[in-house]
Parts: sequence; C-alpha cells; structure tokens
Amino acid sequence: KNEVEQSPQNLTAQEGEFITINCSYSVGISALHWLQQHPGGGIVSLFMLSSGKKKHGRLIATINIQEKHSSLHITASHPRDSAVYICAVPTQGGSEKLVFGKGTKLTVNP
Amino acid sequence: DAGVTQSPTHLIKTRGQQVTLRCSPKSGHDTVSWYQQALGQGPQFIFQYYEEEERQRGNFPDRFSGHQFPNYSSELNVNALLLGDSALYLCASSFGTGAYNEQFFGPGTRLTVL
Repeated sequence: KNEVEQSPQNLTAQEGEFITINCSYSVGISALHWLQQHPGGGIVSLFMLSSGKKKHGRLIATINIQEKHSSLHITASHPRDSAVYICAVPTQGGSEKLVFGKGTKLTVNP
Repeated sequence: DAGVTQSPTHLIKTRGQQVTLRCSPKSGHDTVSWYQQALGQGPQFIFQYYEEEERQRGNFPDRFSGHQFPNYSSELNVNALLLGDSALYLCASSFGTGAYNEQFFGPGTRLTVL
C-alpha cells in the first residue's frame, strides 16, 4: 500500500510570499494529483502530473518519480490561496484507487 | 455545463439509522468514486462505480453499499449508522476508471450521526 506524507501540516504566510508544499510517497507510481480544498469541503483538482513540471497561473507543480517526491509552489501568494492542499497517488502500481495525504493547511495573511 | 452535484448538503441522523446520499456526475463522465473524509484527515476511498457495477472497494464494512444508475448517477447507502460515520462524504466523477484520469469532485455531503 502506498503511504503519502505531506509537509508541512500547517503553513502561515504573508501576502506575496513564495510557498512550497511537499509530498512524498512510498510506492513507485506514474502520476500524482494535487488538489485544493476550501473551507466548506469542495475539492478542486489543480494538477495531475507524471514527470517534470506543470504551471497554471501562479501555481507550479513538480515531480521527481525516482525520488518519489512532488512539490507544489505558489508564487506571489494571496489571501484567496488560503485552503488545504492535498496530494493523492494510486495505492500501488496500476491501481485505480487513490490514497490521499492528510493535507497542508495554508493561511495567507494580508 | 453543471459540474458534479451532491445531495443533500447536510444531514443529521441518529445511531442505528440508515442514510442515502446522492451524486450526479459531470456531463460526459461515466465513473463515480465515493470518499469519506473525517475531520482533519484526507479523503479515504470507499468504492468506485462504472457501468453500474462496483469496480473497486476500499477498506469499508458491508454497511456501506452503493448503486449506479443507467444515467451514471450514483447513490451511497450506509446502514446501522455509528457515531464514527460522521464525516464529509465526497463523490468524484471521471471519464474512465483509471487513477490517472482527472477526477472532478462534488461539494460533499456533511453527515452528522448523533
């Protein structure tokens, strides 16, 4: 079974700061999901990536398959970025089931 | 184009009761997955439905059951509710069953068991 660890658990930043959230997993995979969950529960898929880097606006996600590690970066952070960020990977191999990290709660203060 | 919708948004039940939660997938999607998210935790996979059949199941007891209809909508049923079943229940839809298919999540149903 794939274990997913995220760090940090909680992160507080000032508006404009550069944010990094990390995700490590134990079993080799081919792709990883980054999700955003706002207060109230709704989850939005941010990225699915299998190699290298993806960018969408101020969000950048990177993955190193060999090191079993991914990072989510937010440039020029804004209070509206405040949310829980969750990474998810297949449970193992070609499994169709996802296992999720516990999430990183980000608070960006004005 | 409506995204994933879930009903109801909130629900309060007592121990021993039964509950049914509903999910309508995003237009064009044929696969529905259900997740349970306890407070402060990441979502836990319950099961996945495709072609009206349960394809994958997580580590949940038989009290949790589901159904998928010909229009791809889905229901999650929980019998003999326990206090520990209190959680946010999320459904996600995708086109196809693979873990590498992008999943679109609904807003969730918050279940409180008293």
